[in-house]
Amino acid sequence: AQSVTQLDSHVSVSEGTPVLLRCNYSSSYSPSLFWYVQHPNKGLQLLLKYTSAATLVKGINGFEAEFKKSETSFHLTKPSAHMSDAAEYFCVVRDPRDDKIIFGKGTRLHILP
Amino acid sequence: NAGVTQTPKFRVLKTGQSMTLLCAQDMNHEYMYWYRQDPGMGLRLIHYSVGEGTTAKGEVPDGYNVSRLKKQNFLLGLESAAPSQTSVYFCASSTSIVAAFFGQGTRLTVV
Repeated sequence: AQSVTQLDSHVSVSEGTPVLLRCNYSSSYSPSLFWYVQHPNKGLQLLLKYTSAATLVKGINGFEAEFKKSETSFHLTKPSAHMSDAAEYFCVVRDPRDDKIIFGKGTRLHILP
Repeated sequence: NAGVTQTPKFRVLKTGQSMTLLCAQDMNHEYMYWYRQDPGMGLRLIHYSVGEGTTAKGEVPDGYNVSRLKKQNFLLGLESAAPSQTSVYFCASSTSIVAAFFGQGTRLTVV
């Protein structure tokens, strides 16, 4: 079965510095991968998705992620953090064999002024 | 467009009571999913459906049942609620080529 591991449960960065949220997946098949964001007491918003086209995927709000098959990774990055980026981020995998959509446990991003 | 709508948004149940959560989508999506979200656990898949009349178990199906009698609706039932089922429940829908769209969640407390 597909699974995702988010390597950090909490990440803190200063405003204006780069953001890196790490995600590794396990897969025997070509997965679809996604990043979602959830602001406090809000629903889930899609940031970006990878579906076997370009390996560098650009999303909303300046976020991007790179699919690296050799490392089974799909890390999320942003060049310059903004206070409004403080939220919980989920790495998500879709198994093409049974269409299950499985979430990682989440990384809470804290932005320091 | 309404997208994915969950009913109700909040509910308090007593242990042993039953209830049904309704998820409705107006995007003609084939796939629908029910998740529960608990602190530190991410979203865990309860049950899902790949089309009208079909359902399948996810990661944490025990204590829940589902039905997909109409393509646009996916119902999640709790036959005998337990305090361990206190959680926030999210419904989602998708096609084979798009990402999942989520509802706003249902906060359920079982006392």
